[in-house]
Amino acid sequence: DIQMTQSPSSLSASLGDRVTITCRASQRISSYLNWYQQKVGKDPKLLIYAVSSLQSGVPSRFSGSGSGTDFTLTISSLQPEDFATYYCQQSYSTPWTFGQGTKVEIK
Amino acid sequence: QVQLVQSGAEVKKPGASVKVSCKASGYTFTSYDINWVRQATGQGLEWMGWMNPNTGYAQKFQGRVTMTRDTSISTAYMELGSLTSEDTAVYYCARVLSGGWSDEWGQGTLVTVSS
Repeated sequence: DIQMTQSPSSLSASLGDRVTITCRASQRISSYLNWYQQKVGKDPKLLIYAVSSLQSGVPSRFSGSGSGTDFTLTISSLQPEDFATYYCQQSYSTPWTFGQGTKVEIK
Repeated sequence: QVQLVQSGAEVKKPGASVKVSCKASGYTFTSYDINWVRQATGQGLEWMGWMNPNTGYAQKFQGRVTMTRDTSISTAYMELGSLTSEDTAVYYCARVLSGGWSDEWGQGTLVTVSS
């Protein structure tokens, strides 16, 4: 199975901050890397698919980058509604594994 | 609009089975795969398997999970047997696009396993 490791596991940031979350795969996964946002008590929401494609309706302050095994989710200017947990997921090969999550909290 | 509506919460005893349903609307049900993902309280997301109607299950659940669908009512099902307390979790269904990402999710079904 492909292991997905996110860092950090949690972070504290202020409104307007630039936030970066990284995700590393245990082997190369081409461009099959996706990012989800999950708020407490809610189902996950697709933010970014195929490394850098923004899902319809997602604000442009979210962006994704990376290749091979190392990927990044960036929030350019943190907004109140962005406080949530973020998960990366590889869809290169089954089982389609998720990272352990990064919780973004208010500083 | 696209919607996935799951069945309600369940309480089961250890050793029992649970069957969760996921009714799709707003799109052509047979044109997309369905994933099942679970999340224990305070934990991360765990992929269980997919169906389209072929199925693929995570090794962890092989022999214990069955995913089916009824196209006449646009509904997918996930049945998990031999339940233990470790299976207490929220179970989600999700629509899968061709690249393997899930763009629409059900609201989740809480399954509690307790004696």
